[in-house]
Amino acid sequence: DVKVTQSSRYLVKRTGEKVFLECVQDMDHENMFWYRQDPGLGLRLIYFSYDVKMKEKGDIPEGYSVSREKKERFSLILESASTNQTSMYLCASTAGTASNQPQHFGDGTRLSIL
Amino acid sequence: AQKITQTQPGMFVQEKEAVTLDCTYDTSDPSYGLFWYKQPSSGEMIFLIYQGSYDQQNATEGRYSLNFQKARKSANLVISASQLGDSAMYFCAMSGDPGRRALTFGSGTRLQVQP
Repeated sequence: DVKVTQSSRYLVKRTGEKVFLECVQDMDHENMFWYRQDPGLGLRLIYFSYDVKMKEKGDIPEGYSVSREKKERFSLILESASTNQTSMYLCASTAGTASNQPQHFGDGTRLSIL
Repeated sequence: AQKITQTQPGMFVQEKEAVTLDCTYDTSDPSYGLFWYKQPSSGEMIFLIYQGSYDQQNATEGRYSLNFQKARKSANLVISASQLGDSAMYFCAMSGDPGRRALTFGSGTRLQVQP
């Protein structure tokens, strides 16, 4: 079974802090994704990566950056956290480019910015 | 651009009854995939079922089936014989945009199964 592990289930940070959310997958997947989930809006794509050191902006990249130095690890960075970034963050991974591949998700990180 | 619409914010169903969760989509991609995910209150996203745009038959996985009507651009999830453990958020999603690789999600439907 594919395992996608997010470093924290719950995280509380202060406005202006630099925040790191870590995600690791164990199936050698090329593609990794960061989504943000808010009530009534579903999941929205922040960034994705299709290879080491490669990244593409998603639908809502403002205020975020990412890092992928190793294939199995994809980090989401909030450069200067703001209260409107309080949300649920979900990491996912998938292999290849075929449109029939389901994405495998981590358990999510509930981030609160005070 | 792709778009997924789930018009039912919340649904109630009695235990052991069947329930249909609605999903409509819009895309200009000729080839695409449709997915349903379940998210219990604990937060993890669980993949349920997949339907490809060229699949002739509706997908089924145990108690889950996908009612795919391509001309109407709908991909409704049918859960038969509902169980209390089916209470969760359900998300419809689609793939297919070759430059994107990510899924496009709907806003979700919260299903509550009543004893």
